[in-house]
Amino acid sequence: GEDVEQSLFLSVREGDSSVINCTYTDSSSTYLYWYKQEPGAGLQLLTYIFSNMDMKQDQRLTVLLNKKDKHLSLRIADTQTGDSAIYFCAEIGMRFGAGTRLTVKP
Amino acid sequence: EAQVTQNPRYLITVTGKKLTVTCSQNMNHEYMSWYRQDPGLGLRQIYYSMNVEVTDKGDVPEGYKVSRKEKRNFPLILESPSPNQTSLYFCASSLSWIHEQYFGPGTRLTVT
Repeated sequence: GEDVEQSLFLSVREGDSSVINCTYTDSSSTYLYWYKQEPGAGLQLLTYIFSNMDMKQDQRLTVLLNKKDKHLSLRIADTQTGDSAIYFCAEIGMRFGAGTRLTVKP
Repeated sequence: EAQVTQNPRYLITVTGKKLTVTCSQNMNHEYMSWYRQDPGLGLRQIYYSMNVEVTDKGDVPEGYKVSRKEKRNFPLILESPSPNQTSLYFCASSLSWIHEQYFGPGTRLTVT
């Protein structure tokens, strides 16, 4: 079947903004999620967005949703070394992307 | 503390030797699922359970079995493990299939 797609790697400098992109498959998905996986740990929900929203902001995180293109993005402002992790997008029913490994360089 | 626990955390075994990975949650969640994580492939769902005695196949169920006799427990059974089942396994639970999932810490399985 179709896959939820993400680029596998992203590297940024500390203090820069990070943008992680995702293309999902289910146009009827009422929720879309971003999970964070730190080294050696399970996934934790970072944020989510309802399909009737275009944008959601939560402190340093901004989620943008383009339903027409089935495109979801996660922007992290002022990226810190503690943000280094793998970020997964997921659509309703928990179909996950492959994960984007974010590396933050000091 | 609300949590999902998995045991064992690490397991090295040989081809064909039956094994069980346990999963338990203390949040009274109805929905539970198992995933495997492989490099470049992300998380793929193996099996899920909507409630007690209700289980269904995910995307990659071949070679695995599950049971859900009690709400809190959802063991993953490998009747005859093979090397291609070497992976990192996660159990997760949630109120329902559309709600946030809570993940266990993972079980790293190596089959030689």
